[in-house]
Amino acid sequence: GENVEQHPSTLSVQEGDSAVIKCTYSDSASNYFPWYKQELGKGPQLIIDIRSNVGEKKDQRIAVTLNKTAKHFSLHITETQPEDSAVYFCAASKSQGAQKLVFGQGTRLTINP
Amino acid sequence: KAGVTQTPRYLIKTRGQQVTLSCSPISGHRSVSWYQQTPGQGLQFLFEYFSETQRNKGNFPGRFSGRQFSNSRSEMNVSTLELGDSALYLCASSWTGTSNEAFFGQGTRLTVV
Repeated sequence: GENVEQHPSTLSVQEGDSAVIKCTYSDSASNYFPWYKQELGKGPQLIIDIRSNVGEKKDQRIAVTLNKTAKHFSLHITETQPEDSAVYFCAASKSQGAQKLVFGQGTRLTINP
Repeated sequence: KAGVTQTPRYLIKTRGQQVTLSCSPISGHRSVSWYQQTPGQGLQFLFEYFSETQRNKGNFPGRFSGRQFSNSRSEMNVSTLELGDSALYLCASSWTGTSNEAFFGQGTRLTVV
C-alpha cells in the first residue's frame, strides 16, 4: 500500500524566515496531496492541496510543489509568523472523490520570535 | 456554515467495555471518514462511509466498526476496548463530487483505563 515519509520531524525557524517541509510517497497512482496544520487540542485543518496534474500552487505565504517523477512534494511557508507554530502533516490519496488519506508522521514547526 | 461536529469531546472507558462515537458532517457533505491519531502511529485511516455504505476500510481489527445514517451522520463503535485503543479519534467529511478536500472535526479523546 501507499507509504508517505515526511521530513524533518521538528523544525525551528526565526520569525520572518522561510520553512520547508518535504514528503515522499511510494504509490505512483496517488493523485491528490493535501497539507494539514494541527494546533494543540484541535483537529487537522486543511491549508493547501495539490493535484497530480499541477506542479505548483500558491496561496499567499504558503506554496506547495509536486514532482511526480521523483514522487515527492513540499510545503513552503514564507515570512513565517508565531501563529504558524503547529504540527504540519502531508498526505496522499489515489481515490478520486473517495476519502482514504495516507498521512506522513508530521513536522512540529516552531517559530522563534 | 457549521463545521464537522464530533461528540463527545472526551471519554474515559474501562478495558473490555465498548464505546460509540458520533460525527455530524458539514451540511451537504456525503462522505465521512474516520481516523485514529496516536503519538506512536500517527494518523491512521479506519474507514469511510458514503451514502450509508462502507466504501473503504483500513487495517484495523473487526472490533472497530461504523455506520452512516441517511442524514450522513456517522457513528463508530469500538468493542472490547483495549488499553492501546486510547487515542484521538477524528472524523472528516467531504462532498465527494469532484472534490477530494476532507475537513476534520476536533476529535474525540478516548482514554481506556
